[in-house]
Amino acid sequence: AQSVAQPEDQVNVAEGNPLTVKCTYSVSGNPYLFWYVQYPNRGLQFLLKYITGDNLVKGSYGFEAEFNKSQTSFHLKKPSALVSDSALYFCAVRESGGYQKVTFGTGTKLQVIP
Amino acid sequence: SAVISQKPSRDICQRGTSLTIQCQVDSQVTMMFWYRQQPGQSLTLIATANQGSEATYESGFVIDKFPISRPNLTFSTLTVSNMSPEDSSIYLCSVELQQVNYGYTFGSGTRLTVV
Repeated sequence: AQSVAQPEDQVNVAEGNPLTVKCTYSVSGNPYLFWYVQYPNRGLQFLLKYITGDNLVKGSYGFEAEFNKSQTSFHLKKPSALVSDSALYFCAVRESGGYQKVTFGTGTKLQVIP
Repeated sequence: SAVISQKPSRDICQRGTSLTIQCQVDSQVTMMFWYRQQPGQSLTLIATANQGSEATYESGFVIDKFPISRPNLTFSTLTVSNMSPEDSSIYLCSVELQQVNYGYTFGSGTRLTVV
């Protein structure tokens, strides 16, 4: 069975500092990996995905994520945090090929402190 | 990119009643997914709905409690039947869009409170 772990319930970072939100995964085959963001009282918004190719993936709002196969990780990063980045972030995984169920992590609340 | 309209956005319902949530996509999609999310928590897949066939339910979810319709390639409904306070949650529909290349797009959700 596939799974996603987000070890931190909450991450606090000062505005202007780099941020990292951690994610590790487990799947039987090759993974497709995703990051989503959820602002209060709103649906999930797609940030970025890794399907194949370059291990460093760039997404919306200046976010990027690095796929590390040996460590089975897909950490979300941003060089300089904004207060408006404060939200709930979800990592998700599915197996490659055809239709496969997506499994979401438990979410990490990011708090950017002015 | 495609837009998903989900309604109602929120509702307060009496226990024992049923609520039907609608999800409309502005492009044709093969599969539509229904999730449940407790506020501030992760998403749990309820079922996958293919047009023209019965929905596939995940462990812990049954058709009698969560009947799903998928009459065409742009529309689906999820009914929460015989509601109890434990059904209070956010319900989200989602689709995988070709143009997003394996990315999934979500509706804005239905916040259900059962009293």
